[in-house]
Amino acid sequence: AQTVTQSQPEMSVQEAETVTLSCTYDTSESNYYLFWYKQPPSRQMILVIRQEAYKQQNATENRFSVNFQKAAKSFSLKISDSQLGDTAMYFCAFMKRDAGGTSYGKLTFGQGTILTVHP
Amino acid sequence: ETGVTQTPRHLVMGMTNKKSLKCEQHLGHNAMYWYKQSAKKPLELMFVYNFKEQTENNSVPSRFSPECPNSSHLFLHLHTLQPEDSALYLCASSQEVGRNNEQFFGPGTRLTVL
Repeated sequence: AQTVTQSQPEMSVQEAETVTLSCTYDTSESNYYLFWYKQPPSRQMILVIRQEAYKQQNATENRFSVNFQKAAKSFSLKISDSQLGDTAMYFCAFMKRDAGGTSYGKLTFGQGTILTVHP
Repeated sequence: ETGVTQTPRHLVMGMTNKKSLKCEQHLGHNAMYWYKQSAKKPLELMFVYNFKEQTENNSVPSRFSPECPNSSHLFLHLHTLQPEDSALYLCASSQEVGRNNEQFFGPGTRLTVL
C-alpha cells in the first residue's frame, strides 16, 4: 500500500513571496503519478500540477513548480509570487500506474497543508 | 467551477434517517468516485464506478450504498449512520478509470449526523 505524508499542517507566506510545501511518499511501485491538488475555502478541489514518475524533468505550471526527487521519494511544491487567491489547503496525492500505461484511478492523499497568504 | 455538482451542499440527519447524496458531472466522463474527507485525516476513497460498473469498494460499511444509474450521475444512499460518519463527502469524475488520470471534484456535501 502507498502512503503520502505532508509534514507541515500549516504554512504562511507574504504576498509576492515564494513558499515550498513538502510531501514524501512511500511505495514499492516504479510507475506512478504524483499530484498537487488545491482546495480553497469554497471547498471545490482543483488540480494544480501533475508529475509522471518516469519523467526526470520537473513539472511546471505558471507560478507552480515541483521538485521531484524519485530516489528520495520526495515531491515538493513551490509557489512563486504568492497571491491572496493561493490561500487554500494543498494536498499531495499518489496514483499508481501499471506497466501497460494505464492507471488504476485510485488517488492516495496526504493529510494536507493549509497555506495562508498574507497581504 | 469544475463541471461536477453535488446536492445538497449541507445535510443534517439523525441516526435513524435515510437520505441520499447526489452528484452530477457535465464533462462527458465515464468514471465517478466518492471520497470522504474528515477533519485532520487524509481524503479516503470510498467507491469507484467505471462505465456504471462498481470497480472499487474500499471496505466501506454497508450503511453507505452507492448507485450509478448512468455515467453522469452518482448517488450515495445513507441509512442508520453514526456520528463518526459526519464529514465532507466529495464526488469526483475522470474520463475513465485506466485512461485519463485527472480527477475533477465537486464542491462536496457537508454531512452532520446527530
